[in-house]
Amino acid sequence: EAGVAQSPRYKIIEKRQSVAFWCNPISGHATLYWYQQILGQGPKLLIQFQNNGVVDDSQLPKDRFSAERLKGVDSTLKIQPAKLEDSAVYLCASSFGIRRWTGELFFGEGSRLTVL
Amino acid sequence: QQQVKQSPQSLIVQKGGISIINCAYENTAFDYFPWYQQFPGKGPALLIAIRPDVSEKKEGRFTISFNKSAKQFSLHIMDSQPGDSATYFCAASNMGSARQLTFGSGTQLTVLP
Repeated sequence: EAGVAQSPRYKIIEKRQSVAFWCNPISGHATLYWYQQILGQGPKLLIQFQNNGVVDDSQLPKDRFSAERLKGVDSTLKIQPAKLEDSAVYLCASSFGIRRWTGELFFGEGSRLTVL
Repeated sequence: QQQVKQSPQSLIVQKGGISIINCAYENTAFDYFPWYQQFPGKGPALLIAIRPDVSEKKEGRFTISFNKSAKQFSLHIMDSQPGDSATYFCAASNMGSARQLTFGSGTQLTVLP
């Protein structure tokens, strides 16, 4: 079974530029999460989708971050404009939907962003 | 998000020794406590998890000890091996509501050969 796919793996941009990350979850997983992992810290939830609806985006900096999951499968996370403090690994994870949630999240390998 | 506090930040253990990582939580609604293991360049992966109806769960060399009254839980790695060298994250969730995990800050474990 294919795992969670993310791209690009690495991205270097100048501050105030924009960047987009893509995620393809495990087939059949209704719930998709974007986490931000700053070096030396634990993953911090940015946004959670159930199918194509947002469940929780309370910690998403909405003035610069946006995310969508239009068809309930793939998702895109965008940052515009980027700040130095956005340098982090952006992890996408998926899980079974609310009715079948086992507590386990399946993570992709992440997209490492460096903002200069 | 409710906090999950993890310690130590880093840990160095000799091969064959016992590694112990501790976590404490605040939210009494949490009812699922997993540990995730992360190797460099990879995403975290579930290692072992416990529900609060038991005080201990063992899977091979990995054991979770859970103290509900103290709101603490810990991961014990017996007979630690160099291949166990990784970053370990504790996490917590309320299974009945948001279906999301709140992670601790991580412990970088190094097992010396």
